[in-house]
Amino acid sequence: GAVVSQHPSWVICKSGTSVKIECRSLDFQATTMFWYRQFPKQSLMLMATSNEGSKATYEQGVEKDKFLINHASLTLSTLTVTSAHPEDSSFYICSASPGGGYEQYFGPGTRLTVT
Amino acid sequence: AQTVTQSQPEMSVQEAETVTLSCTYDTSESDYYLFWYKQPPSRQMILVIRQEAYKQQNATENRFSVNFQKAAKSFSLKISDSQLGDAAMYFCAYRSARGGGSQGNLIFGKGTKLSVKP
Repeated sequence: GAVVSQHPSWVICKSGTSVKIECRSLDFQATTMFWYRQFPKQSLMLMATSNEGSKATYEQGVEKDKFLINHASLTLSTLTVTSAHPEDSSFYICSASPGGGYEQYFGPGTRLTVT
Repeated sequence: AQTVTQSQPEMSVQEAETVTLSCTYDTSESDYYLFWYKQPPSRQMILVIRQEAYKQQNATENRFSVNFQKAAKSFSLKISDSQLGDAAMYFCAYRSARGGGSQGNLIFGKGTKLSVKP
């Protein structure tokens, strides 16, 4: 089946620094990638949708200057949390879709802790 | 806007028994997809089952089956012969059939935590 990886699986950073999370589709080309955020014991909240080669579409309330998304190739999307603060601590999940169909394949997630 | 509602925050089932998780949704669209995802403690999202709205036949995947009632906008998941490994958070999700891009995103319910008692 389709495999999506995320790196790192967990990261601890200091307040004010930036951290980059990678999402890769390993055995298919992902036309569209999605980034979700999940707080403990809550559901997944869509942050943004990115299509290869174009700017990401952010959901209402998500700061695009804080959560930079790049989808430079058909197998890689990155989420950069800039000037991270403790309130940005969360579980970030990406998913990728080959397009044309309706499947989204999820990565294993990245736990971010900002101290 | 579409919404997905899971009214059962927690459910419990005895091993080998059957349990049904409820999900209702609201949409004005006629063509869409519905999904059940499982999120175990590892937090990896796993697709359990999917249903195309244009299909009248309920989807089935081994011990997992759905009861899709389009008019009632209901999409429940039945787990038969429950196993300890079924313990997880279960999320119901909706996706428009209108295509990719931002319209292709999943809308999730709040989830139901399923416990399986040995």
